[in-house]
Amino acid sequence: GENVEQHPSTLSVQEGDSAVIKCTYSDSASNYFPWYKQELGKRPQLIIDIRSNVGEKKDQRIAVTLNKTAKHFSLHITETQPEDSAVYFCATHFSGTYKYIFGTGTRLKVLA
Amino acid sequence: SAVISQKPSRDICQRGTSLTIQCQVDSQVTMMFWYRQQPGQSLTLIATANQGSEATYESGFVIDKFPISRPNLTFSTLTVSNMSPEDSSIYLCSTGGTSYNEQFFGPGTRLTVL
Repeated sequence: GENVEQHPSTLSVQEGDSAVIKCTYSDSASNYFPWYKQELGKRPQLIIDIRSNVGEKKDQRIAVTLNKTAKHFSLHITETQPEDSAVYFCATHFSGTYKYIFGTGTRLKVLA
Repeated sequence: SAVISQKPSRDICQRGTSLTIQCQVDSQVTMMFWYRQQPGQSLTLIATANQGSEATYESGFVIDKFPISRPNLTFSTLTVSNMSPEDSSIYLCSTGGTSYNEQFFGPGTRLTVL
């Protein structure tokens, strides 16, 4: 069945450095790829998404890239700040449905 | 984005009892989903709550354990039945809809079963 692999599971970076999280999916028909940020004790919040007809999307310090041939997409955070510390989840949807399948999550720590 | 509320925000329950979680959305939405998030884990879809028909459950989840209601386009409930400590998790509802529609999550219900 469909699955999403996410790496790394934990990531520590120095404040100001960049962070990259990568997800690989199995269903070639997937066409929507959101990223969620979950702070401790809070709900997951959508931070950026990309659709299959686009290769890259940016929103200030965050960007997402998509490689449909290789079936992977990545989250890039530049100039990291302590408030970027959280768990990040990638997701895609089950082919032909509106249901999401989530990656296993990456715990990002930004060290001041 | 839709504003979603859940009740209760947290509860501590005894094993063998049941808890019903409510999810309210401030606008009509086609689909509502229920997820479970075990401590330190990712989100696992329990079921899709369909308005006017029975919920659609994912593998590993059954209606007898997790009955769901969806009486209208803004409200749904999830019941966790005959609870055991293994049911201790955060339960989240989310909204979805047409293709490409973002999913927004409720604040979650933190359940502890003793």
